[in-house]
Amino acid sequence: EAGVVQSPRYKIIEKKQPVAFWCNPISGHNTLYWYRQNLGQGPELLIRYENEEAVDDSQLPKDRFSAERLKGVDSTLKIQPAELGDSAVYLCASSPNAGQASAGEQFFGPGTRLTVL
Amino acid sequence: AQSVTQLDSHVSVSEGTPVLLRCNYSSSYSPSLFWYVQHPNKGLQLLLKYTSAATLVKGINGFEAEFKKSETSFHLTKPSAHMSDAAEYFCVVTRRNNAGNMLTFGGGTRLMVKP
Repeated sequence: EAGVVQSPRYKIIEKKQPVAFWCNPISGHNTLYWYRQNLGQGPELLIRYENEEAVDDSQLPKDRFSAERLKGVDSTLKIQPAELGDSAVYLCASSPNAGQASAGEQFFGPGTRLTVL
Repeated sequence: AQSVTQLDSHVSVSEGTPVLLRCNYSSSYSPSLFWYVQHPNKGLQLLLKYTSAATLVKGINGFEAEFKKSETSFHLTKPSAHMSDAAEYFCVVTRRNNAGNMLTFGGGTRLMVKP
């Protein structure tokens, strides 16, 4: 079974430019998460989706960040415009539904390392 | 509300010696606790998890952790470190039996293994 897929793995952009990250969760996982991990810190949740609905986006900086999961499968996270402080690793994770094996466990992708110059 | 404190940001051990990574948690609910490992340029991998069964949890690669409610701790141990154990380790708390709930990560402990 394929794991969570993210692309690109690395991205370097200049400040004020837009950037987008893509995530394809494990097949059958209805819940999808985007996290940001700053250097030397643990990941912090940005947004959680249940199917195509964003059920928790309280930590998403909505002035410049947006996300979508139109068909309830893959998802895109966008930053526009990027700032120097956005440099971080952006992680995507997915989890099975309640009642399924491993419910409550999150499976992480390798992340996208963003560098803003 | 929930939070996690990893007491050491860096731990250095010699190969073949025991590993202890300390974690204390705080939760308003009955918690589930996890340890994840992150190797450089790799995704987070689940080592082990505590939900509600045995308080001593065995995970992959010889790691184990003990849930101690009275001490609000969930320390990670391994009897004998291997060079391949060098990585970043994260202690994580979430609300028990709540699929899709937010994970709260500790700040991480970087484990270094000397030959």
